[in-house]
Amino acid sequence: EADIYQTPRYLVIGTGKKITLECSQTMGHDKMYWYQQDPGMELHLIHYSYGVNSTEKGDLSSESTVSRIRTEHFPLTLESARPSHTSQYLCASSELTSKGHEQYFGPGTRLTVT
Amino acid sequence: KNQVEQSPQSLIILEGKNCTLQCNYTVSPFSNLRWYKQDTGRGPVSLTIMTFSENTKSNGRYTATLDADTKQSSLHITASQLSDSASYICVVSDRGSTLGRLYFGRGTQLTVWP
Repeated sequence: EADIYQTPRYLVIGTGKKITLECSQTMGHDKMYWYQQDPGMELHLIHYSYGVNSTEKGDLSSESTVSRIRTEHFPLTLESARPSHTSQYLCASSELTSKGHEQYFGPGTRLTVT
Repeated sequence: KNQVEQSPQSLIILEGKNCTLQCNYTVSPFSNLRWYKQDTGRGPVSLTIMTFSENTKSNGRYTATLDADTKQSSLHITASQLSDSASYICVVSDRGSTLGRLYFGRGTQLTVWP
């Protein structure tokens, strides 16, 4: 079991609210990622970080923002939630092994915006 | 374009039966291929990982194969159990990425009936 945590696990919130999805890992990994996944669809990379003070946008355009002030913490924020943001959000971190990068996933946050 | 295609999209089998899931990819340059198991509402968990030089890898009742020439992989599940019901995702990483970028298939949704 990977030591990567996400809170909350489920969130139902009204349109226009500001929300922050928390992600933390205790493995000391430098690289961290946020993915968005809709039911029956593949994971899409929305943000990533190479380390502290590094954040980049991923392949899928997202209105969310991220920050990386500490190695272990990579929160995602939506300033004004909309129904189109309803999805599952997965956080991951990775380490480089002899077989390439190994990514470990958190349990995810299921977000519903009404 | 780097892509990962999986088939079938969904599969229903009876408990105790075997099944094989397929994955085709176009990711280049190839680094490794992983099969993940994702339970409903959870993050993906790695089952197997194979590099270019490996053509088979087992993890208990799960056996993955890789043909790097034809860019195909399969995941064989033996003597299925109810707990095998999940989405199985084929994930390929490219050797050229310092990020450890992954390319995800949409998964095969496996349902095991008693």
